[in-house]
Amino acid sequence: GQNIDQPTEMTATEGAIVQINCTYQTSGFNGLFWYQQHAGEAPTFLSYNVLDGLEEKGRFSSFLSRSKGYSYLLLKELQMKDSASYLCAAPPSGGSYIPTFGRGTSLIVHP
Amino acid sequence: NAGVTQTPKFQVLKTGQSMTLQCAQDMNHEYMSWYRQDPGMGLRLIHYSVGAGITDQGEVPNGYNVSRSTTEDFPLRLLSAAPSQTSVYFCASSSTRGKAKNIQYFGAGTRLSVL
Repeated sequence: GQNIDQPTEMTATEGAIVQINCTYQTSGFNGLFWYQQHAGEAPTFLSYNVLDGLEEKGRFSSFLSRSKGYSYLLLKELQMKDSASYLCAAPPSGGSYIPTFGRGTSLIVHP
Repeated sequence: NAGVTQTPKFQVLKTGQSMTLQCAQDMNHEYMSWYRQDPGMGLRLIHYSVGAGITDQGEVPNGYNVSRSTTEDFPLRLLSAAPSQTSVYFCASSSTRGKAKNIQYFGAGTRLSVL
C-alpha cells in the first residue's frame, strides 16, 4: 500500500522561499507527483519526479530521493497567490497508476 | 477542450435518497477515478476505472457504485445517501501514454450535503 506524510500547515512571508517536504512508503515506485489546490477549487498538476534529483520549473522546483523515500517542493519568490494546499501523490507500481494522495500542506503566504 | 466536466456543482440530499454524480472527459483518457475530499483527510479514492467495462474499488468504496460503459463517462451513484457522505467529490482522468502520462486532470468538483 501507499503511506504518504507531509506537514499539515506552513506559513511564509511574501518574497521568501519555502520548502514543503513529503515522505512516502509505497509498494513499488512509479514516480512522485505534486499538485496545487486553491481553496474551493480542484487540484492542478505542478510537477512529476521519477528519477532522483531536482526538477526546476520557473519559481517551483521539486526534488526526489528514492533511496530515502523523500521529496520536497521548493517555492521561490513567494507571492500571495501561492497561498494554497500542496498535495504530494504517489501511484503504486504495477496495475493501475491511480495515485494515493497525502493529506496536503496548507501554505499561508502573508505580506 | 472542456477537459473533465462534473455535474452538478452543488447538491443537497436527504438521508436515504439516491443520486448520480456525472463525470465526462473529452481527452480520450483511459483511466478515470472518483475521490472524496474531507477536511483534514485529503483526497481519498472511492472507485476507479482503467478502461471501458472495467472498474475497481479504491480506499473508501462502501455506499457507492460506478460503471464505465464508454471511455468518456464515469458516473458515481450514491445508493442510499448518509450524512457521512457529505463531502466534496472530484472526478479525475489520466492517460497512460505521452508526455502527460499519469497526470491526473480533475473536474471542478461536486459539493454534496446530506441532511
